[in-house]
Amino acid sequence: DQQVKQNSPSLSVQEGRISILNCDYTNSMFDYFLWYKKYPAEGPTFLISISSIKDKNEDGRFTVFLNKSAKHLSLHIVPSQPGDSAVYFCAASPAGGTSYGKLTFGQGTILTVHP
Amino acid sequence: DADVTQTPRNRITKTGKRIMLECSQTKGHDRMYWYRQDPGLGLRLIYYSFDVKDINKGEISDGYSVSRQAQAKFSLSLESAIPNQTALYFCATSEGLAGGPPSGELFFGEGSRLTVL
Repeated sequence: DQQVKQNSPSLSVQEGRISILNCDYTNSMFDYFLWYKKYPAEGPTFLISISSIKDKNEDGRFTVFLNKSAKHLSLHIVPSQPGDSAVYFCAASPAGGTSYGKLTFGQGTILTVHP
Repeated sequence: DADVTQTPRNRITKTGKRIMLECSQTKGHDRMYWYRQDPGLGLRLIYYSFDVKDINKGEISDGYSVSRQAQAKFSLSLESAIPNQTALYFCATSEGLAGGPPSGELFFGEGSRLTVL
């Protein structure tokens, strides 16, 4: 059973527009959420995170929104750039020090930003 | 040089062979992990180690074993490889509890692509 789901396998966006990547989760014990970006032939790299005590976290062009009641989070990229083209993974973990790093990942969404 | 280095980067082997994937890190992190990536399934945790003497099974540990030879080294073994272990394998590290709460952020290697025929 997939506890973290990214229902859109791919997303295509024009340069300069907003990219919105969505993620749903089912485990109410998840307390910490992260987004990773992955380029071909490279490992995933951390992008942005959010704790369940917040509903929004912003870092430059990247903003993550968390709706706990809906068990839904989204990543907004504004404005989108061609270099943002990559696979984006949503990940989650329960609270507690021993749980950090033991992430449950979504399937990933391939973002393509067209010039 | 990469902070988290995996060897080999690519390996093709046959069913029944023993395979070892190695991981070394220069980040000084206590915690190390092995994940595998399959199309449509994302990354799944195989094993993790919070220090040299602490090794734990993850979500999909069957058919795998690990060894934490030192703080900086964590290897994954497939004792008798089978075709459904064909996947992209990632080693990762994270900070431990010493020095403050961990952020949860993982630092990944570049991956080892394993094909079992």
